[in-house]
Amino acid sequence: EVQLVQSGAEVKKPRESLKISCKGSGYSFTSYWIGWVRQMPGKGLEWMGIIYPGDSDTRYSPSFQGQVTISADESISTAYLQWSSLKASDTAMYYCARTDTIMITEPGPADYWGQGTLVTVSS
Amino acid sequence: QSALTQPASVSGSPGHSITISCTGTSSDVGGYNYVSWYQQHPGKAPKLMIYEVSNRPSGVSNRFSGSKSGNTASLTISGLQAEDEADYYCSSYTSSSTWVFGGGTKLTVL
Repeated sequence: EVQLVQSGAEVKKPRESLKISCKGSGYSFTSYWIGWVRQMPGKGLEWMGIIYPGDSDTRYSPSFQGQVTISADESISTAYLQWSSLKASDTAMYYCARTDTIMITEPGPADYWGQGTLVTVSS
Repeated sequence: QSALTQPASVSGSPGHSITISCTGTSSDVGGYNYVSWYQQHPGKAPKLMIYEVSNRPSGVSNRFSGSKSGNTASLTISGLQAEDEADYYCSSYTSSSTWVFGGGTKLTVL
């Protein structure tokens, strides 16, 4: 059974750093992409970026480029989303999701999702 | 890249059909047959309902169907049921080698 299990809720202060995780199981971790999606309170889904653990190919949405870093450790089947300096506007639910490959080299639609990690940034 | 455009809300009576539109550009919806639709119930993670414009993943009811014409994709739900009440999001692959979501549509089953 494919599962994506995310790390627990976080409460942080502005300008602190944070790294949240997403552990995949039940499939070959290096053969699928892992993407991250933001959902601010009461708002819609936003595609942040994605990584292919097999070769570390990483893509970012222009809105999130330079704001976050996506990485993966294939030895423990875990992907990460990290911030170096949090802002109050980073308060949101963050989902990881698995995608297959389309057009030989591109990330496809998300077929399995994690349960979400709630990040709250407040002074 | 801008979010795809969806109506904020739609509603329908049980047993009836509704259609949700998703409008993009030739750089996303119009340029690729890689449009997906997701259902999200309150407090839950999204669920893939349609991929590649009109394909249903295993386990998704055939009451859900998708189509595309030009820069606009559509999701149709027939035989509306109370459990269909949820938020629906379209998503498209883009010429920037990334994906973009629509703003979301709240479906109310009357």
